[in-house]
Amino acid sequence: GAVVSQHPSRVICKSGTSVKIECRSLDFQATTMFWYRQFPKKSLMLMATSNEGSKATYEQGVEKDKFLINHASLTLSTLTVTSAHPEDSSFYICSATDRYGYTFGSGTRLTVV
Amino acid sequence: QQPVQSPQAVILREGEDAVINCSSSKALYSVHWYRQKHGEAPVFLMILLKGGEQKGHYKISASFNEKKQQSSLYLTASQLSYSGTYFCGTEQKGGSEKLVFGKGTKLTVNP
Repeated sequence: GAVVSQHPSRVICKSGTSVKIECRSLDFQATTMFWYRQFPKKSLMLMATSNEGSKATYEQGVEKDKFLINHASLTLSTLTVTSAHPEDSSFYICSATDRYGYTFGSGTRLTVV
Repeated sequence: QQPVQSPQAVILREGEDAVINCSSSKALYSVHWYRQKHGEAPVFLMILLKGGEQKGHYKISASFNEKKQQSSLYLTASQLSYSGTYFCGTEQKGGSEKLVFGKGTKLTVNP
């Protein structure tokens, strides 16, 4: 089946710094990838749709200057959390679609201290 | 629009059955079901595309009603490994492939 690799799995950063999260489709090409955010015991909230070769489409209320998305190739999308603050601490998950459906990455737990 | 999932939580004894519902106020293009264990990413269970469709195997199956506004996930003869939070993700008709997830149903299977 399709595999989506996400790195890092855990990251702790200082307030004010930036963190980059990578999402790779390993055995298929993904023109579209999705970034979600999940708070403890809550549902997955779609942040943005990442489109290869073009600008990402952000959901209402998501700051595009804070959550920078780059989808430079058919197998890689990155999410950069800029000037991170403690309230950005969360579980970030990417997903990609192939002909079988959606496949999620393993998630990145970000803790901002 | 976020789909409505019910119930919010279910506690079963091993071997019992459960039904989780997911409904939308508008007709959907597709419904996806996922199970998530604590601290892990969601794992895909199945996708339903056609009104009236039923799929899955005899222990975990799902249905999509004719109007494509409601889906149910059926867990039969539950096992301990079924414990987790179940999410339905819905794709609107004419949408951009993006999934909107329900709030989840926490299933606990006890020995």
